[in-house]
Amino acid sequence: GENVEQHPSTLSVQEGDSAVIKCTYSDSASNYFPWYKQELGKRPQLIIDIRSNVGEKKDQRIAVTLNKTAKHFSLHITETQPEDSAVYFCAASKGSASKIIFGSGTRLSIRP
Amino acid sequence: GAGVSQSPSNKVTEKGKDVELRCDPISGHTALYWYRQSLGQGLEFLIYFQGNSAPDKSGLPSDRFSAERTGGSVSTLTIQRTQQEDSAVYLCASSLSPFTGQLGWNELFFGPGTRLTVL
Repeated sequence: GENVEQHPSTLSVQEGDSAVIKCTYSDSASNYFPWYKQELGKRPQLIIDIRSNVGEKKDQRIAVTLNKTAKHFSLHITETQPEDSAVYFCAASKGSASKIIFGSGTRLSIRP
Repeated sequence: GAGVSQSPSNKVTEKGKDVELRCDPISGHTALYWYRQSLGQGLEFLIYFQGNSAPDKSGLPSDRFSAERTGGSVSTLTIQRTQQEDSAVYLCASSLSPFTGQLGWNELFFGPGTRLTVL
């Protein structure tokens, strides 16, 4: 079955700097890659997703890139702000009617 | 509208007892997932229901775990003969459907979770 590996497990960046979180997946049939953000004490929420027919997607300060050949995808957060502090999860799925498998999470801390 | 709800919010039980956790998905969502989150850990997939199809049980850690979904709506996760390692937050999530063409059809909406503590 699908296995998603995520790193780093913890990341601390200076406010205003960029943060990058990387994930790899094992099942070449996976074609949908969402990212979820979980703030302390709250439930995970979708922040951005990408499908395998595109290589990059941007939404304001966040962007995701996908390399299908290498089976890895990354989350990029620019101009980080204190409210970006949270745990971020990548995930992979074969799409319609398939389960979504999550990575182990990255705890991002923004230093003032 | 109402989001995903779960009950109870907290459950403390003794080792060896059975527990039932309930999830009420968003109305109209045909996909329902159960995940387990141990303290400071990731989201471990347990089971996935999609409409009337047979559930994907590939994530259930042992035969002590089972789940059902009645009438395509409410789901119950049952853990028999609980062990201390079962202590975790159990999260339920629902999503709209397999591909329908509607925007956001595959976004997972999570419930608040049930915190299970096995003494």
